[in-house]
Amino acid sequence: AAGVIQSPRHLIKEKRETATLKCYPIPRHDTVYWYQQGPGQDPQFLISFYEKMQSDKGSIPDRFSAQQFSDYHSELNMSSLELGDSALYFCASSFRDFNNEQFFGPGTRLTVL
Amino acid sequence: AQKVTQAQTEISVVEKEDVTLDCVYETRDTTYYLFWYKQPPSGELVFLIRRNSFDEQNEISGRYSWNFQKSTSSFNFTITASQVVDSAVYFCALSGAAGNKLTFGGGTRVLVKP
Repeated sequence: AAGVIQSPRHLIKEKRETATLKCYPIPRHDTVYWYQQGPGQDPQFLISFYEKMQSDKGSIPDRFSAQQFSDYHSELNMSSLELGDSALYFCASSFRDFNNEQFFGPGTRLTVL
Repeated sequence: AQKVTQAQTEISVVEKEDVTLDCVYETRDTTYYLFWYKQPPSGELVFLIRRNSFDEQNEISGRYSWNFQKSTSSFNFTITASQVVDSAVYFCALSGAAGNKLTFGGGTRVLVKP
């Protein structure tokens, strides 16, 4: 069965650079979630989209922005990168029903030097 | 606000021992979902189990079992006859009826020694 695809899987950037992370949800899933997991920490919710509209927002820095496109894929744009942005970024998708089963992608490991 | 607490930061066992992971949650929602995820050293998040707030029936699935007690807001998870491949970080998570975002606990690292 198709799973959530994230690209790239690994990304190395310098401070103050920008990065774009992409997420391709499972076909027919209409909701995408982004989570950030710092080293040794639990995943923290950043933002979610339902039918291309932002549905919820967590502790996402103002330097970050995200959107969901007409084909339901999503991109997380990160600017003015800081060392503290080094983390594993997960995307999850779901079909917005009451069972709330989120399927996670393999994650993108971002390293900021 | 929702909160999930996993008091155990690390558990070390010898293979074939049982491991029980504790999870306590806080939420004001009357309808909510509880989850357990496994994160092996490779980093991906693997879904293990999900329970909704209306179903306190405890079940066993293979070597996994869970104990959901609404009265104490606990959702404990047990691995029976642990194996080396069970070594991972285990996260308990909670989602409410609104928004569906997951709130994770701090995780419990399980080390199963041969």
